[in-house]
Amino acid sequence: DAGVIQSPRHEVTEMGQEVTLRCKPISGHNSLFWYRQTMMRGLELLIYFNNNVPIDDSGMPEDRFSAKMPNASFSTLKIQPSEPRDSAVYFCASSPRTGGGEKLFFGSGTQLSVL
Amino acid sequence: RKEVEQDPGPFNVPEGATVAFNCTYSNSASQSFFWYRQDCRKEPKLLMSVYSSGNEDGRFTAQLNRASQYISLLIRDSKLSDSATYLCVVNQAGTALIFGKGTTLSVSS
Repeated sequence: DAGVIQSPRHEVTEMGQEVTLRCKPISGHNSLFWYRQTMMRGLELLIYFNNNVPIDDSGMPEDRFSAKMPNASFSTLKIQPSEPRDSAVYFCASSPRTGGGEKLFFGSGTQLSVL
Repeated sequence: RKEVEQDPGPFNVPEGATVAFNCTYSNSASQSFFWYRQDCRKEPKLLMSVYSSGNEDGRFTAQLNRASQYISLLIRDSKLSDSATYLCVVNQAGTALIFGKGTTLSVSS
């Protein structure tokens, strides 16, 4: 059974470039989450979808960040333009439950480096 | 004030030791509590849920004190394989999980 699939695993880009991170949740899961992890701030929620609808995007840093979930099997997180302070590991997670609870499953993450 | 606070450690203990981690949360409306484990350069994974009456899973014991808004994790007879970062997690009904920054444990032989 495939878990949450994220791509790419690593992304190195230059400041000002557009970055798109991709996520395929576990089939049948109706909640999808984007988190960002840094040493300084830990694991922070960016946005949370339920049934493809954004429920909580209060964690999205600013207008440079946008997330979409066009269907139940795919989500993207886009950063445009990227900045060095965006460097972090970005995790996508999915759950069959609203909010996640103990049924939250993470992908392997995308390590983003903005030079 | 951060919603979930943990001592970052690191906790360096020998094999066989007992070690305890603590966590406090600020939102009294929090309803669900968990400990997640994260290995170096890996994704977080659920270690155990935390129930009001306290619960045990093998060498791991979790406790919750709602009045003090305090959660703990006790690991007995530490193994080398327990070396990881332990994340304290809380949430309210219908909202996404809020993670602490984690406590790092290093078990040595």
